[in-house]
Amino acid sequence: KNQVEQSPQSLIILEGKNCTLQCNYTVSPFSNLRWYKQDTGRGPVSLTIMTFSENTKSNGRYTATLDADTKQSSLHITASQLSDSASYICVVRSNAGKSTFGDGTTLTVKP
Amino acid sequence: DTAVSQTPKYLVTQMGNDKSIKCEQNLGHDTMYWYKQDSKKFLKIMFSYNNKELIINETVPNRFSPKSPDKAHLNLHINSLELGDSAVYFCASSLSRTGELFFGEGSRLTVL
Repeated sequence: KNQVEQSPQSLIILEGKNCTLQCNYTVSPFSNLRWYKQDTGRGPVSLTIMTFSENTKSNGRYTATLDADTKQSSLHITASQLSDSASYICVVRSNAGKSTFGDGTTLTVKP
Repeated sequence: DTAVSQTPKYLVTQMGNDKSIKCEQNLGHDTMYWYKQDSKKFLKIMFSYNNKELIINETVPNRFSPKSPDKAHLNLHINSLELGDSAVYFCASSLSRTGELFFGEGSRLTVL
């Protein structure tokens, strides 16, 4: 069964600190992995996409990594800001076009 | 211009009523979806509709019925509402080729 597991479930950090969110998956055959950010009261928005051949990709202060061998991805946030407070959802897509969602990590950045 | 728009944003209704949520996308996408986000914030797929093919999640009660008049619209009709239907419902669309999901702002349904 295709599964996506995210950790931690929730995280509280101080403004300016870095943090790393984890995503482990069993989806096969793998097509791509996306990280979405969902602000409170809004719909999720794609932050980055990782394909099989990509190890790391940055989008501003967000850096995603992918290890296709161990089926793990991480999202690293540098110099966190209050506006980074949100839920971060890992979504893995199979070659058949089906997307499997993780349960998300809720990040709270405190001043 | 809003890419994926859904209405209403808020809906409060009594148990047993029938209600609809509408969704429209202007991105030219060929696939549309309905997701349910419960109080624990977990997003669960309900339906996806690609051109004329409707893919139904077998765990969704048949009180829920999607209707797609054309590729740009996917509406959700719910019969005989129950307390457990209270949630935020998100519409989304994508190109089947890329799979990147574009979400609407959500419709918060409260059943009293």
